[in-house]
Amino acid sequence: QLQLQESGPGLVKPSETLSLTCTVSGGSITSSAYYWDWIRQPPGKGLEWIGSIYYSGNTYYTPSLLSRVTISVDTSKSQFSLELSSVTAADTAVYYCARHHSQYNAFDIWGQGTMVTVS
Amino acid sequence: DIVMTQSPDSLAVSLGERATINCKSSQSVLYSSNNKYHLAWYQQKPGQPPKLIIYWASTRESGVPDRFSGSGSGTDFTLTISNLQAEDVAVYYCQQYDSSSIFPFGPGTKVNIK
Repeated sequence: QLQLQESGPGLVKPSETLSLTCTVSGGSITSSAYYWDWIRQPPGKGLEWIGSIYYSGNTYYTPSLLSRVTISVDTSKSQFSLELSSVTAADTAVYYCARHHSQYNAFDIWGQGTMVTVS
Repeated sequence: DIVMTQSPDSLAVSLGERATINCKSSQSVLYSSNNKYHLAWYQQKPGQPPKLIIYWASTRESGVPDRFSGSGSGTDFTLTISNLQAEDVAVYYCQQYDSSSIFPFGPGTKVNIK
């Protein structure tokens, strides 16, 4: 069964760049049916979709973060990554990687999430 | 920008009774390529990632109990939990897919036991 696992620093200083990686196991990151996503959740708050990437490298980002976010993919390592620049305390959140199916556009598999604190 | 709203913010329902959660989008979620409503519902329990329970507004994800049902059209959608069980205590989120390839979420509805 396909699994996703986030990794990266749990603490980032203000104005620096947050970098996280999601490792895909038990399935192929190059499946044509799926996109790979980053979603975040500030403590005690709701969910915010950050962006998606297809295995070919096509990306889609939420407009509010467009100037600061980059998502990339490394198919040889079955990984995709998130970079968020110029972070502030408002970027403190649990960051989830997830997968969505291109036909029904819902997130069917999620990682466990990783807490990132900006301080 | 698309705005998703949910009501109520929270509700308490007796075991075995029905819980109804509403979700409204500021724009239609009908996707012309397959004539489906791209509206999904998720359940999130404390300390866990969200779990997909409904997609295409009314299709249950595999393994989801049939007491969960989704309905609606246009911009107004409903998640119904019939015969509420203790394990259904969670926050429920709706999520839309927009043709600009973005995925707004609703603010969430917390379901508790009365």
